[in-house]
Amino acid sequence: GESVGLHLPTLSVQEGDNSIINCAYSNSASDYFIWYKQESGKGPQFIIDIRSNMDKRQGQRVTVLLNKTVKHLSLQIAATQPGDSAVYFCATRRSGTYKYIFGTGTRLKVLA
Amino acid sequence: DVKVTQSSRYLVKRTGEKVFLECVQDMDHENMFWYRQDPGLGLRLIYFSYDVKMKEKGDIPEGYSVSREKKERFSLILESASTNQTSMYLCASSFRGGGLAVPSQYFGPGTRLTVT
Repeated sequence: GESVGLHLPTLSVQEGDNSIINCAYSNSASDYFIWYKQESGKGPQFIIDIRSNMDKRQGQRVTVLLNKTVKHLSLQIAATQPGDSAVYFCATRRSGTYKYIFGTGTRLKVLA
Repeated sequence: DVKVTQSSRYLVKRTGEKVFLECVQDMDHENMFWYRQDPGLGLRLIYFSYDVKMKEKGDIPEGYSVSREKKERFSLILESASTNQTSMYLCASSFRGGGLAVPSQYFGPGTRLTVT
């Protein structure tokens, strides 16, 4: 079946450094990808998305890269701050449906 | 801002009880979703609804039912709660979208349900 996996369950970075969180997906028919941030005790919060016809998209301090050849998605956070500490997970949409497949999440810890 | 609210943040129920989890969104979204979130498994779709009184099974519907009588409200029902339904339950909503538009899902804060 379809799957979405994240490469590391936990990532620790120094405050001010850049963070890179990775995600791999299995379904080549996925056409839309989202990164979510989930802080403790809260629901997932949309960060950034990208369509399959793009390979890069930038937001405020965040960049998403999509490599469809190897079915890999990454989230880059520039100048990581303590407020970035959270669980990050990616989701892919099954083409033509409302259904999403979610990864299990990487916990980002920002070290002072 | 889109607001999705869930009736309870924490809930403790006994095995065999009937449990109602309610979700309300204030953005006139057509689509609403119920997920459960368990460690190491990611979010899994239980049910979703694309219109009032319309529903479709997700990946793990067994043991659950849903009700959508009004556009803004989507209820998840555990007919007879069991311990393996202890989990975090998340509600989400989105516009229907169409054409090139891809609707983003907005999530509520979650209900942590414990069944003893």
